[in-house]
Amino acid sequence: AQSVTQLGSHVSVSEGALVLLRCNYSSSVPPYLFWYVQYPNQGLQLLLKYTTGATLVKGINGFEAEFKKSETSFHLTKPSAHMSDAAEYFCAVTQSQGNLIFGKGTKLSVKP
Amino acid sequence: DARVTQTPRHKVTEMGQEVTMRCQPILGHNTVFWYRQTMMQGLELLAYFRNRAPLDDSGMPKDRFSAEMPDATLATLKIQPSEPRDSAVYFCASGLSTGNQPQHFGDGTRLSIL
Repeated sequence: AQSVTQLGSHVSVSEGALVLLRCNYSSSVPPYLFWYVQYPNQGLQLLLKYTTGATLVKGINGFEAEFKKSETSFHLTKPSAHMSDAAEYFCAVTQSQGNLIFGKGTKLSVKP
Repeated sequence: DARVTQTPRHKVTEMGQEVTMRCQPILGHNTVFWYRQTMMQGLELLAYFRNRAPLDDSGMPKDRFSAEMPDATLATLKIQPSEPRDSAVYFCASGLSTGNQPQHFGDGTRLSIL
């Protein structure tokens, strides 16, 4: 069975600092991986996805993630945090039927 | 941009009452998911449909919850009778049936059972 582990339920960075949100997955088949962002009182919004091909994936709002098969990781990064990046971030892996398995989420706080 | 629409956005009701939440998936999407989000449990998959047929509802308490898709433009999630522990945000998402396609989420129904 597939699973997703997000290390750190809360991450705090200063504005302008690097953002690194960690995600590890387990999957018996080549995975499709996703990062979603949730702002307060809103649904989840797709940030980026990895399906096949290039392992470095660029998403919206300056975020990117790198698929590392050897490490079973799909960490999310952004070079310079902005106040508007404060939100909860979810990593997810898809199962064969197309339904997603979500991690428990990481709340990102950005300090001025 | 096409969006998943959920109604109502907020619902407050008393224990024992029936609650119906509605979802209009994105036109052309053939898969619809229902999730529940709480602080304690995070995001839980309750049920999902493909081409209007239920594929998996193992995440749903069967005695009080029911999910249906009367037609391709409407999915419903009902709770009868409701209990305080059902208080949560319920999300609907839609997508295509291939695993490499993302799900698109609505803004949720925030349910409070008093």
